[in-house]
Amino acid sequence: GAVVSQHPSWVICKSGTSVKIECRSLDFQATTMFWYRQFPKQSLMLMATSNEGSKATYEQGVEKDKFLINHASLTLSTLTVTSAHPEDSSFYICSARSTSYYEQYFGPGTRLTVT
Amino acid sequence: QQQVKQSPQSLIVQKGGISIINCAYENTAFDYFPWYQQFPGKGPALLIAIRPDVSEKKEGRFTISFNKSAKQFSLHIMDSQPGDSATYFCAARYSGYSTLTFGKGTMLLVSP
Repeated sequence: GAVVSQHPSWVICKSGTSVKIECRSLDFQATTMFWYRQFPKQSLMLMATSNEGSKATYEQGVEKDKFLINHASLTLSTLTVTSAHPEDSSFYICSARSTSYYEQYFGPGTRLTVT
Repeated sequence: QQQVKQSPQSLIVQKGGISIINCAYENTAFDYFPWYQQFPGKGPALLIAIRPDVSEKKEGRFTISFNKSAKQFSLHIMDSQPGDSATYFCAARYSGYSTLTFGKGTMLLVSP
């Protein structure tokens, strides 16, 4: 089956620093990748959609200068949380889809804690 | 505007029983309806999915029932097991548009 990995699985950083989260599709080419944020006991909130080689499309209310997304290759997308603050603490999950798969597969998530 | 309404919010089922989770959608442009299972601290895992041209799809103990005229679809978990205890999300996607719209989720607890 299609596998999506994320790294790191958890990270703790100090307020004001930046954190980069990697998302990789391991056995397929991900033409489209998605980044979600999830708060405890809530549904997934789409942050942005990115197509390989193109700029990401951000959902309304998501600060694109704070959450930098790069989808430089068909197997790798990165999310950088810049100048992180405690309110950015959350569970970030990436997802990927290819033209070969109608389905959308999710990574295992990254728990970010900003102190 | 919530485009996919999921119920119940939580569900307790005894081991061996049938778990039923329902979703209703508004927009007839949706053409793909997946269900995801999520364990605490993990990402959602695709469980089963259906297209509107079929009324039912079964994979093992999991069945999706789809009612196009009522704009509803449901997940049935037969012979529910404690290991099925998780949060389940229904979702829908527009034709020609790749973003999934999720329901709010159902926390399922299967008691031993």
